[in-house]
Amino acid sequence: GAVVSQHPSRVICKSGTSVKIECRSLDFQATTMFWYRQFPKKSLMLMATSNEGSKATYEQGVEKDKFLINHASLTLSTLTVTSAHPEDSSFYICSAGSREEGYNSPLHFGNGTRLTVT
Amino acid sequence: RKEVEQDPGPFNVPEGATVAFNCTYSNSASQSFFWYRQDCRKEPKLLMSVYSSGNEDGRFTAQLNRASQYISLLIRDSKLSDSATYLCVVREGYSTLTFGKGTMLLVSP
Repeated sequence: GAVVSQHPSRVICKSGTSVKIECRSLDFQATTMFWYRQFPKKSLMLMATSNEGSKATYEQGVEKDKFLINHASLTLSTLTVTSAHPEDSSFYICSAGSREEGYNSPLHFGNGTRLTVT
Repeated sequence: RKEVEQDPGPFNVPEGATVAFNCTYSNSASQSFFWYRQDCRKEPKLLMSVYSSGNEDGRFTAQLNRASQYISLLIRDSKLSDSATYLCVVREGYSTLTFGKGTMLLVSP
């Protein structure tokens, strides 16, 4: 089945630094990438949606200058948390969809990145 | 605003019990529907797609009622390993996917 690889799985960084999270589709072309954030014991919250080659669409309340998303190719999307603060500590998950698979196909999730900002 | 509503639970059931989860969605133009399960501190994993005619996969049965905008998941003969959060997911198009907040299931011995 389709595989999405997300890296790193865990990162600890100091406040003020930037962290880049990569999401790769290994055996299909990811036309659309979704980035989610999940705080402990809370539900998944969509942060942004990106289509290959175009700018990401951010959900209300998500700062686009803080969470930089790049989806330059059909197999790679990156999320950069800039100037991270402790309140950015969360579980970040990407998921990918392929236009070729059609509406009825489920999305494929990366295994998530647990970010801790100290 | 597009919404997907689920009872957050938790549902506490003994092993072997049958349990049902419901989900309602607000966008009548929604095109596809899924149930995912999420274990603690893990990514969601697809449990099953939901088809209009209803579908079954082993102990799991999913139903869709488009007229009522209602999706259900039935789990028979619950196992301890079924303990997880079950997410109702609705897809409105290529770029629009909405998650419910999830229903927590706890299966006890």
